[in-house]
Amino acid sequence: AQTVTQSQPEMSVQEAETVTLSCTYDTSENNYYLFWYKQPPSRQMILVIRQEAYKQQNATENRFSVNFQKAAKSFSLKISDSQLGDTAMYFCALGGGSQGNLIFGKGTKLSVKP
Amino acid sequence: DAGVIQSPRHEVTEMGQEVTLRCKPISGHDYLFWYRQTMMRGLELLIYFNNNVPIDDSGMPEDRFSAKMPNASFSTLKIQPSEPRDSAVYFCASSPDRGGEQYFGPGTRLTVT
Repeated sequence: AQTVTQSQPEMSVQEAETVTLSCTYDTSENNYYLFWYKQPPSRQMILVIRQEAYKQQNATENRFSVNFQKAAKSFSLKISDSQLGDTAMYFCALGGGSQGNLIFGKGTKLSVKP
Repeated sequence: DAGVIQSPRHEVTEMGQEVTLRCKPISGHDYLFWYRQTMMRGLELLIYFNNNVPIDDSGMPEDRFSAKMPNASFSTLKIQPSEPRDSAVYFCASSPDRGGEQYFGPGTRLTVT
């Protein structure tokens, strides 16, 4: 079975600082995708970043980057220069292979403090 | 593209009433998903469709819940009869690929009194 674990229920960071959110996963698939979603207080689920497992290069989207460690089955999200608007719940998700759906972690609630 | 569209955005109903939630996926997306989110249980997958065919409905809590996708641009999730424990935010999402990124609608906040 595929699983996704986010071990940090809550985190906080000062504005302009850098924060890293952790995610580990387990899968027997060779081809899969990993995602980070953001859910701000508005509750809209927003795709932040995507990583294909076959790519060694870590994905980057502006201030958001990932550290993908395939052997360790780790997929952390780094947010640089944190902004107040980054305050949200962040979900790690695993997809691909034989399944059509995504497997979501339980989320990490991030608070950015002024 | 307008993104995934859900209606209504808010629904308040009394216990025992029928509730119908609606979703229009992004055009060209072959996969459609229904989720439920609560504080206690987090984000739960209820059912998903591929090319309008239900693939996995193992997350549907009980027979009171049903979902249909009569065509590629429309899906419904029905609860009959509704109960207070059904109160939650219900999301619809669509995806162009199997296991690929999903695009979520704004959600429907359902309150059953």
